[in-house]
Amino acid sequence: DAKTTQPNSMESNEEEPVHLPCNHSTISGTDYIHWYRQLPSQGPEYVIHGLTSNVNNRMASLAIAEDRKSSTLILHRATLRDAAVYYCILRDWTGTASKLTFGTGTRLQVTL
Amino acid sequence: DGGITQSPKYLFRKEGQNVTLSCEQNLNHDAMYWYRQDPGQGLRLIYYSQIVNDFQKGDIAEGYSVSREKKESFPLTVTSAQKNPTAFYLCASSLGLAPGYEQYFGPGTRLTVT
Repeated sequence: DAKTTQPNSMESNEEEPVHLPCNHSTISGTDYIHWYRQLPSQGPEYVIHGLTSNVNNRMASLAIAEDRKSSTLILHRATLRDAAVYYCILRDWTGTASKLTFGTGTRLQVTL
Repeated sequence: DGGITQSPKYLFRKEGQNVTLSCEQNLNHDAMYWYRQDPGQGLRLIYYSQIVNDFQKGDIAEGYSVSREKKESFPLTVTSAQKNPTAFYLCASSLGLAPGYEQYFGPGTRLTVT
């Protein structure tokens, strides 16, 4: 899997939007951009994914740069329940298994 | 509600014993996975299955075994041959293996072997 780079940590106030950046300058044309989040001692939770176009779902939005070398996960109104480690992952079709390879992620703190 | 269940949440075993971790999904997903997560680290793929009665080794399959007799179930056995079995084990499923499919995870089983 191609490498991604994320800030180690970010802080946000509750009810404010949060923009979590991810750099993936070596992305290939067939890599999908996936975002997951994980709370301590819990299984990862799928957030959103996309290939080329921006994506929206009930949890978040994913903004993908035109050259696809970076992307941003947008939480429109952060709540305390959004405090977690967020992982940006590139996934390609290897022909065997499209496993998830987690990096260090961004630890998001949300304060009142 | 559809989802993935793993049991038990915590498991304690003595060294030299085999132990089986349960994973069940009612999402009607074809693909299922087992990952291992160690403190402060990412996920490592143990085994995966694309379809019933078929499974493949992942990156760290040594000391583990699986079966896929039913679409809904993918149990993992940690054998006594696994040198460092203490870890957080996560089961996941997806519609298929392709990278365009998201994976859904269970709550995990924390195994402690002493």
